[in-house]
Amino acid sequence: EAQVTQNPRYLITVTGKKLTVTCSQNMNHEYMSWYRQDPGLGLRQIYYSMNVEVTDKGDVPEGYKVSRKEKRNFPLILESPSPNQTSLYFCASSSPHQQYFGPGTRLTVT
Amino acid sequence: TQLLEQSPQFLSIQEGENLTVYCNSSSVFSSLQWYRQEPGEGPVLLVTVVTGGEVKKLKRLTFQFGDARKDSSLHITAAQPGDTGLYLCAGVSYGGSQGNLIFGKGTKLSVKP
Repeated sequence: EAQVTQNPRYLITVTGKKLTVTCSQNMNHEYMSWYRQDPGLGLRQIYYSMNVEVTDKGDVPEGYKVSRKEKRNFPLILESPSPNQTSLYFCASSSPHQQYFGPGTRLTVT
Repeated sequence: TQLLEQSPQFLSIQEGENLTVYCNSSSVFSSLQWYRQEPGEGPVLLVTVVTGGEVKKLKRLTFQFGDARKDSSLHITAAQPGDTGLYLCAGVSYGGSQGNLIFGKGTKLSVKP
């Protein structure tokens, strides 16, 4: 079954404590993205990757890092999380015709 | 910056009613997609429209792409409680790729039995 998996699904952490949200896809897609979704602001792209070792900033990259060492994995790294990064995060994997979204990670930074 | 404006932002209707959701922009898109998102889940693609003026139907849902490729609409006939969710439109700009979608802020639909 084609799918995008994210872990963890829920995370509560404190300001400044580094964290990583993992994302994996089994569709052999080259293109992967990270979004955050906030009430009233919709889905905003954080980073995207067009292939292994190729990443680029989206609309809201500040405070985030990504890496793409393998085609199937695209982790999102928050080196020093802050409360304004409290949000719902989605990883997505793209074919030429559509994006497949993961189930989301709800992050709370206190 | 390209923007997609969706209206209305919220819609609460009774089962059996018809509704239309709009997605507008001042920019031209090579294609436009509609997604539906349920609470606790990621968005799921409903349809992609590519040609100006194109109309696509998915059971009780009718999607239209404007002639100028700047706007789109989603019409639901005889809405059912199962249609409840967040409807998102997303555009691919010319020269852009599928992975570089521009999303509207969504229309939150509630269909009451």
